[in-house]
Amino acid sequence: QVQLVESGGGLVRPGGSLRLSCAASGFKFEDYYMSWVRQSPGKGLEWISYIRFSGDTVSYAESVKGRFTLSRDNGKRSLLLQMNSLRVDDTAVYYCARSLFRVAGVYFDHWGQGTPVTVSS
Amino acid sequence: IVLTQSPGTLSLSPGEGATLTCRASETIRSNYLAWYQQRPGQAPRLLISAASNRANGIPDRFTGSGSGTDFTLTISRLEPEDFAVYFCQQYGGSPTFGQGTKVDI
Repeated sequence: QVQLVESGGGLVRPGGSLRLSCAASGFKFEDYYMSWVRQSPGKGLEWISYIRFSGDTVSYAESVKGRFTLSRDNGKRSLLLQMNSLRVDDTAVYYCARSLFRVAGVYFDHWGQGTPVTVSS
Repeated sequence: IVLTQSPGTLSLSPGEGATLTCRASETIRSNYLAWYQQRPGQAPRLLISAASNRANGIPDRFTGSGSGTDFTLTISRLEPEDFAVYFCQQYGGSPTFGQGTKVDI
């Protein structure tokens, strides 16, 4: 069955960096887009980035563009989110999600359990 | 595209029906609208895609309908496990989510 396991969350100071990982199993990883979606009490659910099958195309939400970098390693079946210049409002639970692309956007058919990120001084 | 869900909270009893609404600030291309269920302490789960297509393993008491800017999720007979928060999400462009409707006992 599809499994997505996130790791790398934690407490970081404003301006700091964090790297999130997602380990995928139970499906052919390279056949799917993959995304990160975050959830905070104040802002609800927010899509932040998706990456195409081979990693040649990546899209970001405006709120993280220029600060976050999404990549994938199909050989290791893993998804990586490098988060730099973190701000207090980046505090959220971060979910890795298998994604289905339609014309201009994606939706999410399987989700991991999430990893919490807290940005605080 | 901004999605507005109503009501914020729906207080119902098991066996009753529920109607949840999602309104978009502009027409959603090809009715690319999904619904998710989120139980406490769990990740969201896909229920419906393309406004009305039930995802694998989703019971037929969940029905999605609507087009353009107005969409509805109907739960015909609430089971105890259906008391949760429901989100709509559009993927006609850069993905956005509604703020959620809590279905409460």
